[in-house]
Amino acid sequence: DGGITQSPKYLFRKEGQNVTLSCEQNLNHDAMYWYRQDPGQGLRLIYYSQIVNDFQKGDIAEGYSVSREKKESFPLTVTSAQKNPTAFYLCASSTGSGETQYFGPGTRLLVL
Amino acid sequence: GQNIDQPTEMTATEGAIVQINCTYQTSGFNGLFWYQQHAGEAPTFLSYNVLDGLEEKGRFSSFLSRSKGYSYLLLKELQMKDSASYLCAVRSNQAGTALIFGKGTTLSVSS
Repeated sequence: DGGITQSPKYLFRKEGQNVTLSCEQNLNHDAMYWYRQDPGQGLRLIYYSQIVNDFQKGDIAEGYSVSREKKESFPLTVTSAQKNPTAFYLCASSTGSGETQYFGPGTRLLVL
Repeated sequence: GQNIDQPTEMTATEGAIVQINCTYQTSGFNGLFWYQQHAGEAPTFLSYNVLDGLEEKGRFSSFLSRSKGYSYLLLKELQMKDSASYLCAVRSNQAGTALIFGKGTTLSVSS
């Protein structure tokens, strides 16, 4: 089965802690993306990567970091610098031309 | 800058037709997308328009006018399961193939 997986489904973060959200795809897509969704809000772009070993900041990159060492993987680290991390995090991927983005099931991050 | 506007909420009854509008302002427009999102779930792709006109896909149709910065999603023969948020998103050449999303329209379908 081809698709995008995200883990964990729920993640709890303590104050001052860095946490990493996993995103894996086996669709052979070149491009991958991270979005954040707050209650009642649309999706906001955190980071995106058009190709392996390259990534770009989105609208709300502060307090986040990413890596793209493999085509199928695009992990997102929420650092302690992100003061309001509680949200629903969605990873997506698309072909290089980007006609359609497919989303993973998401990770809910909560702060203890 | 970029701006996408769509109504916050809409209501309709089963079997009816509903039109959800989306207006946008962006430089380097390169496509408009509609997604459906049920509560607590990830968005699922509905439609993609890059040229002016109507794209039909079963009960769902999407229209685009690039000169007016306007799109709509038309849902026919509404069913209870169509109760969801509908997200309008624009791709511009300012951010590669990433999408900029509106805040979504929550549609409630009643019997």
